[in-house]
Amino acid sequence: DTEVTQTPKHLVMGMTNKKSLKCEQHMGHRAMYWYKQKAKKPPELMFVYSYEKLSINESVPSRFSPECPNSSLLNLHLHALQPEDSALYLCASSHSGGPSTDTQYFGPGTRLTVL
Amino acid sequence: QQQVKQSPQSLIVQKGGISIINCAYENTAFDYFPWYQQFPGKGPALLIAIRPDVSEKKEGRFTISFNKSAKQFSLHIMDSQPGDSATYFCAAQTGANNLFFGTGTRLTVIP
Repeated sequence: DTEVTQTPKHLVMGMTNKKSLKCEQHMGHRAMYWYKQKAKKPPELMFVYSYEKLSINESVPSRFSPECPNSSLLNLHLHALQPEDSALYLCASSHSGGPSTDTQYFGPGTRLTVL
Repeated sequence: QQQVKQSPQSLIVQKGGISIINCAYENTAFDYFPWYQQFPGKGPALLIAIRPDVSEKKEGRFTISFNKSAKQFSLHIMDSQPGDSATYFCAAQTGANNLFFGTGTRLTVIP
C-alpha cells in the first residue's frame, strides 16, 4: 500500500482565518514533504521533515507553519494567507529521505482557495 | 534555473498511437529519474522510474529510454488510450529530499 491521505480535499478561507491541512501515511515512511502546486506548473517543495525533524524549509513565508506530531502525521498550519497562496497543496512521503532511489509518494492534495 | 527541461509542453495523439515525451538535465549528480502522472485535481502518481546504469525500462505500455552520455531521457507510451490523457512530469533526484521536476507535458489522446 502506497497511500498518503490528505484532509480536507477542498478549503476556502479568508485572509484573516486560521486553518490547518492534515496529511497521514501508514507506510512506515520517515520522511514527509509539503509541496505547493499552481495550475499548469510542477510541484514546488516547501518543507521536508526527516525523522520528525524539519530538515528543509525552502524560504517559505511564516504564514505557513509546518508541524510533524509523529512519524505518520504532518500538518500545515495556515494564517493570514494571501489570495496568491491559492493552490493545490500536496503532501508526500518517502521511506527514509536518504538514498537517492527513495521514491516520493504523493497524496491527492488539498485545493486551497484564499478569498 | 530549471534543473530538468521537458518537452513538448503539450501533446495530442490519436488513440493507438505512440506518445513521446523528452527530458534533459545537466547535473551529473542526478542518479534516479522517476516519471509522474497527474490527473486534474489529483496528486502526482509514480508511473515508472529508472536509474542511470540502465538504458531502458519497460512496464506494460510505458517505456523509459535513458541516454546517460547525452543526459537525456524519454517516456514512450505505446498504444496510447484516452485514459492516458493527463499531465506527465519527468523528474530527477539526488538524495531523496532533492527531487526536481520538469515543467510538465499535457497529453491528450483523442479517440
